[in-house]
Amino acid sequence: AQSVTQPDIHITVSEGASLELRCNYSYGATPYLFWYVQSPGQGLQLLLKYFSGDTLVQGIKGFEAEFKRSQSSFNLRKPSVHWSDAAEYFCAVAPTSGTYKYIFGTGTRLKVLA
Amino acid sequence: EAGVAQSPRYKIIEKRQSVAFWCNPISGHATLYWYQQILGQGPKLLIQFQNNGVVDDSQLPKDRFSAERLKGVDSTLKIQPAKLEDSAVYLCASSIRLAGGNEQFFGPGTRLTVL
Repeated sequence: AQSVTQPDIHITVSEGASLELRCNYSYGATPYLFWYVQSPGQGLQLLLKYFSGDTLVQGIKGFEAEFKRSQSSFNLRKPSVHWSDAAEYFCAVAPTSGTYKYIFGTGTRLKVLA
Repeated sequence: EAGVAQSPRYKIIEKRQSVAFWCNPISGHATLYWYQQILGQGPKLLIQFQNNGVVDDSQLPKDRFSAERLKGVDSTLKIQPAKLEDSAVYLCASSIRLAGGNEQFFGPGTRLTVL
């Protein structure tokens, strides 16, 4: 079955520290991969996406993610976290044909300590 | 450019009552999605429209949920009758067309509480 796993429900980091959020997927073929962020009371905003090519993708707000086919992973990273990065982060996958239906992970809630 | 609009933002109802949510997508976006996000979970797709046609409604509980997108622009999602387990945030999203590479733009959601 197709699934997305985000093993960390909550993560707490200090402001200025580095961040890595994990995402693993189970899929028949390499899907499209996405990271979204959701601030309280807001809709989801796309941070970055991977379709093909360079396995290190850059996104908005200083985020990047690395696709590792051998590990079926698409981890999100940021070298220095800001207090405004506190939010919930969702990894999602979509097939490369058909309805392109998204499957979301359960999310990782990030808390940033001043 | 205006984003995806949803109303109401909050709704509290008793079980067995009915409720409707409205969504207006970004102008020119052909594809519209309704998601259900239960507390502690990621969004789950309920129904996907391409213009005014349904592309996927495989996870829509059709005995109580219905959705329409007349004229291929705005959309309504209805629950009748509501159950306690329907308490969730209902998100509407749109994309310019049905294609894997297209970003989905999300509205702020409607938080439904069923008592």
